[in-house]
Amino acid sequence: AQSVTQLGSHVSVSEGALVLLRCNYSSSVPPYLFWYVQYPNQGLQLLLKYTTGATLVKGINGFEAEFKKSETSFHLTKPSAHMSDAAEYFCAVSVPGTALIFGKGTTLSVSS
Amino acid sequence: DARVTQTPRDKVTEMGQEVTMRCQPILGHNTVFWYRQTMMQGLELLAYFRNRAPLDDSGMPKDRFSAEMPDATLATLKIQPSEPRDSAVYFCASGGQSSYNEQFFGPGTRLTVL
Repeated sequence: AQSVTQLGSHVSVSEGALVLLRCNYSSSVPPYLFWYVQYPNQGLQLLLKYTTGATLVKGINGFEAEFKKSETSFHLTKPSAHMSDAAEYFCAVSVPGTALIFGKGTTLSVSS
Repeated sequence: DARVTQTPRDKVTEMGQEVTMRCQPILGHNTVFWYRQTMMQGLELLAYFRNRAPLDDSGMPKDRFSAEMPDATLATLKIQPSEPRDSAVYFCASGGQSSYNEQFFGPGTRLTVL
């Protein structure tokens, strides 16, 4: 069975600082991996996904994530945080024929 | 701009009343998911359908919740009778034919049961 662990339920950074949100997964077969973002009072929006091929994936709003099979990780990064990045971020995993399994989410706060 | 739509956006009701939430998936998508989000439990998968057939509803309390897809453009989630512990935001998501399982989420229905 697949599972996802997001390390840190709350991350705080200063505007302009590096953003690093951690995600580790468990899967017995090659997984598909996703990061979603949820702004207040909105639904989840896809940031980026890894399916096959290049392990460094670029998404919207300057975010990227790297699939590291040896570390079973799919951490999300952004070089320079912006106030508008404050939101909740969800990592998710799936394999063909199954639904997405979501992590518990990480709330990102950005201070000026 | 294709989007998942959900109605109503907000619902306040009294304990014991029936609640019906509706979802219109993106045209052409064949998979529909229902999630519930609360502060305590986070995002929980309640049920999902593929080609209108229920594939998994193990996350749904069977005694009071029911989910259906009367047709390819409408999915419904009903709670009868509603209880205060059902207060949450309910999200619908739809997915296409891709095997990657990417899901597109609606804006949610915020349910408050008094």
